[in-house]
Amino acid sequence: KAGVTQTPRYLIKTRGQQVTLSCSPISGHRSVSWYQQTPGQGLQFLFEYFSETQRNKGNFPGRFSGRQFSNSRSEMNVSTLELGDSALYLCASSLGDSPLHFGNGTRLTVT
Amino acid sequence: DQQVKQNSPSLRVQEGRISILNCDYTNSMFDYFLWYKKYPAEGPTFLISISSIKDKNEDGRFTVFLNKSAKHLSLHIVPSQPGDSAVYFCAATTTSGTYKYIFGTGTRLKVLA
Repeated sequence: KAGVTQTPRYLIKTRGQQVTLSCSPISGHRSVSWYQQTPGQGLQFLFEYFSETQRNKGNFPGRFSGRQFSNSRSEMNVSTLELGDSALYLCASSLGDSPLHFGNGTRLTVT
Repeated sequence: DQQVKQNSPSLRVQEGRISILNCDYTNSMFDYFLWYKKYPAEGPTFLISISSIKDKNEDGRFTVFLNKSAKHLSLHIVPSQPGDSAVYFCAATTTSGTYKYIFGTGTRLKVLA
């Protein structure tokens, strides 16, 4: 079974631009979560989607948004990029109460 | 407010010895705890979990201990191997439907050959 796929693997953007990251969950998994990883901060929860509905949201500004499609694929969008948004963005999917299965992440660099 | 804390950023252990990674939490509503391992350029991979109804769970070389009264859990790796060198994250959640996992900041384990 294919794992969680995130595209692209690397992105370089300029301050003020916007970016869209994509995540394809494991087949059959309907829950998709997004996390931001920065040095010293661990994995910070962004939001979680299930059946196209956002069920949970972390403490990030409104510049961070997401959505989920009917096939469970998810996208995350960050508008008006800031230097501090440079991070590894991780997507995870799960089946019911099973542990999260993570993709390899998208490394975003904002210059 | 960091609800899940890993106070040791790094740990060095000799091959064959025991590695003990610690994690503390503050939210008494957490009832399910997990450990993940992360290699560079890869996403975290699930290692082992424990429910709050247990105080110990074992899987091969990995054992997780939970002390609810102290709000503390630990991961023991015995014997440690060089391939265990990675960053280890503990995570906690409630199974009452929040669907939100809170992660610690990670501990970088280096197993010396």
